[in-house]
Amino acid sequence: AQRVTQPEKLLSVFKGAPVELKCNYSYSGSPELFWYVQYSRQRLQLLLRHISRESIKGFTADLNKGETSFHLKKPFAQEEDSAMYYCALSGRNSGTYKYIFGTGTRLKVLA
Amino acid sequence: SQTIHQWPATLVQPVGSPLSLECTVEGTSNPNLYWYRQAAGRGLQLLFYSVGIGQISSEVPQNLSASRPQDRQFILSSKKLLLSDSGFYLCAWETGSTGELFFGEGSRLTVL
Repeated sequence: AQRVTQPEKLLSVFKGAPVELKCNYSYSGSPELFWYVQYSRQRLQLLLRHISRESIKGFTADLNKGETSFHLKKPFAQEEDSAMYYCALSGRNSGTYKYIFGTGTRLKVLA
Repeated sequence: SQTIHQWPATLVQPVGSPLSLECTVEGTSNPNLYWYRQAAGRGLQLLFYSVGIGQISSEVPQNLSASRPQDRQFILSSKKLLLSDSGFYLCAWETGSTGELFFGEGSRLTVL
């Protein structure tokens, strides 16, 4: 079955500390993984996608097919990083446009 | 540029009444369209998605249905609302080329 798991509902870190938001997935085909972010009173928006291998706002995420993980990392957290983060999986590489999300992790960066 | 609109933004309905939430995309053609329900602690639950006019994939058997009467219009409906249908509903679209989803403002439904 297709599934995205984010084990942490809430993650609190101090400003300047490293951040790692965990995401594990279950998918029988070739998935495409994404991280979305929702800042307070804003729409959900794309943060980054595994296929781009890019760093956005200092965040990176590496797809580990062996561990079926796509953890989001940032070496030094900023207060403006406080938001809700969702990991998502699309099956479009396998011929389906089914697009599912995890339950989300709220990141709080403390001053 | 592309835009997505959802309405109504807020809706309060009695149990047993019908529902119609509408989503329209502008500035693109043949988008893939999605309906999600967002609930605290439960993330975004995929309800329906559509890759073309009249093509609907249902992910969760429940009291809701979806239709796509036009290329850029996606409608979420119910004949008789239940209390458990209360929630925040999000419409989204993607072109299929980049995989990025673009979300609407959302519709908050309260069933009393």
